Amino acid sequence: NAGVTQTPKFQVLKTGQSMTLQCAQDMNHNSMYWYRQDPGMGLRLIYYSASEGTTDKGEVPNGYNVSRLNKREFSLRLESAAPSQTSVYFCASSFKTGGLTNEKLFFGSGTQLSVL
Amino acid sequence: DQQVKQNSPSLSVQEGRISILNCDYTNSMFDYFLWYKKYPAEGPTFLISISSIKDKNEDGRFTVFLNKSAKHLSLHIVPSQPGDSAVYFCAASATGSARQLTFGSGTQLTVLP
Repeated sequence: NAGVTQTPKFQVLKTGQSMTLQCAQDMNHNSMYWYRQDPGMGLRLIYYSASEGTTDKGEVPNGYNVSRLNKREFSLRLESAAPSQTSVYFCASSFKTGGLTNEKLFFGSGTQLSVL
Repeated sequence: DQQVKQNSPSLSVQEGRISILNCDYTNSMFDYFLWYKKYPAEGPTFLISISSIKDKNEDGRFTVFLNKSAKHLSLHIVPSQPGDSAVYFCAASATGSARQLTFGSGTQLTVLP
């Protein structure tokens, strides 16, 4: 019963390096998300995908790109990492309950990223 | 400007007593509210939610209260258990859509044995 799986769990990068965070869900959810969590702040949405083949910017998209490879997988790429991108990154997926509204998010366990 | 605020970064409670976690919001359009719980090295997990048509929702030891006039949300845990020690995030949405959830900064609850 995996749910949402993220890799890697930890990563250290040097400024300017690139990397891709991987996320997969096995719950057949249509929507997937990438969040970042910084100390003293709530989770902030980076990018969102309502369905396979579609992506949309969230609150803090600058410096990131995403790919919705198929219904299961949603990756987040940092093309040129900066120290300001040091954060904990969470992938999530969702389905709707209670009729037309009221979605619940299911989160992965997170990736701790440090950019030096 | 934070639309959802959790003003207490931390809270300590004795086992068996009541834990009360608070959340304030500024956007009067918010009509769906959730609490998530997060253990170290894990992702947040959904705990309980409430729609603005209600002022209370219970699920076992957990009760969420909504005061729309005060734009205030609270989570009550009774009785508190050591396993409840975690970070609790409140979140709000104007549409019920997860896409538009706004999260608070979290409150670290420690339940002391």
